[in-house]
Amino acid sequence: EPEVTQTPSHQVTQMGQEVILRCVPISNHLYFYWYRQILGQKVEFLVSFYNNEISEKSEIFDDQFSVERPDGSNFTLKIRSTKLEDSAMYFCASIPVGGGGYNEQFFGPGTRLTVL
Amino acid sequence: DQQVKQNSPSLSVQEGRISILNCDYTNSMFDYFLWYKKYPAEGPTFLISISSIKDKNEDGRFTVFLNKSAKHLSLHIVPSQPGDSAVYFCAASENTGTASKLTFGTGTRLQVTL
Repeated sequence: EPEVTQTPSHQVTQMGQEVILRCVPISNHLYFYWYRQILGQKVEFLVSFYNNEISEKSEIFDDQFSVERPDGSNFTLKIRSTKLEDSAMYFCASIPVGGGGYNEQFFGPGTRLTVL
Repeated sequence: DQQVKQNSPSLSVQEGRISILNCDYTNSMFDYFLWYKKYPAEGPTFLISISSIKDKNEDGRFTVFLNKSAKHLSLHIVPSQPGDSAVYFCAASENTGTASKLTFGTGTRLQVTL
């Protein structure tokens, strides 16, 4: 069964460094998302992406964050200058062709980001 | 801003019995609701969903009930099995016509005991 994959599974970085989290969505999916979950808290929406542009972003997704689909398969989340409070699990998700918001989102296993 | 609330952080149920997980929401614009199951170190896995035009949806051992007037939904698992032990998240979305985001609750940890 096709699945969303994410790399790395765990990323440790120093405060102020740039990180890039990578996701490979399911191949025929067209809508992509990033969410995060700070330890002990709920899963929070960061950004949605469709047709090579951001559809919606949350207040968390400030100028330090960016997303890209550089090659038609990977979907990346970049944090330019990490802060301690960026430490969280980051989940990528996607929905298939014709999603439009009513299809269940398929989540990847997540990347645990630790900022020291 | 708790638009989706799961007031029970944990629930323990004996194997074979019914598990009932509850969820409340405040945003009346939500029109699609989902339940996800999450094991440690894994991403959320979709379980079952319901549109606001329905009040019940069933899939095998899992049934979701929606009470729109009370802004409440529940997930019933019958019979509960040890493999059902996980964290269950309620999520909701609003049909904005494009790639609608999910708003999650804080989760309920279900423990199914032998």
